[in-house]
Amino acid sequence: SQQGEEDPQALSIQEGENATMNCSYKTSINNLQWYRQNSGRGLVHLILIRSNEREKHSGRLRVTLDTSKKSSSLLITASRAADTASYFCATERGLIQGAQKLVFGQGTRLTINP
Amino acid sequence: SQTIHQWPATLVQPVGSPLSLECTVEGTSNPNLYWYRQAAGRGLQLLFYSVGIGQISSEVPQNLSASRPQDRQFILSSKKLLLSDSGFYLCAWKNTGYGYTFGSGTRLTVV
Repeated sequence: SQQGEEDPQALSIQEGENATMNCSYKTSINNLQWYRQNSGRGLVHLILIRSNEREKHSGRLRVTLDTSKKSSSLLITASRAADTASYFCATERGLIQGAQKLVFGQGTRLTINP
Repeated sequence: SQTIHQWPATLVQPVGSPLSLECTVEGTSNPNLYWYRQAAGRGLQLLFYSVGIGQISSEVPQNLSASRPQDRQFILSSKKLLLSDSGFYLCAWKNTGYGYTFGSGTRLTVV
C-alpha cells in the first residue's frame, strides 16, 4: 500500500522558475526521503530528512518536514531542463528481521519548459 | 565505491515462459536487498526483500519468487510468466543513513 500522496501529480513550469512539490504521509516516521526518476530509469536518492529536522538543503534543493501535519515539501530553485523527471517521496517502515522498507507515494511528474 | 548492477535492461517474454532477473552489488557486504515493481506511471511496490544469504521475505502474493544465492546477488524469477507480470523491476539496497541505491531497472513486457 502507498504511504501517502504527492501533490501535484503533474507540474509544468518555465526554465528558471522554482518548482514546489508536496508530500503527505499517514504514519509516524523516522525519516522521509526524496527520489528522482528520469523516464525509464532507476531512482536516484536526492535527500533524506530525519523526523527531528525541519529543513534541509542540498544544492538547489530545499526540503521541509512538518511532522505535526505529516507533510513534506521539495523545492527546486532556478529549474533547468535537466530537472525534468518524476519525483517521489518515500518513508521507511519496519519489517520483520529488523529490516526496513521504503513506501512510496505516486510521484509528481515535473516538466521544465525551455 | 558502492555500485549496483541490474540486467537485462529490457526483456520481452511470451506468456508462460520463465524469467530470471539478476542484481549484484559491489563495495558493500551483507546488504539488505530489495526487489520493487513499478506499474506504468505509478509508485513502487515492494515485492521481496532479503537480509542475508538464503533469507527471502515476500511482501505480496504473486507469481514471482526471489533467491539470494550469494551475499551480493539477488535474483527474481518466475516459472511461468503472466501478462500481469509486465512492469518495471528495480533492485535496491539500503545504504544505512544515506537512503537507498537503486539499479537502472528492467523493463519487462509479457506478450
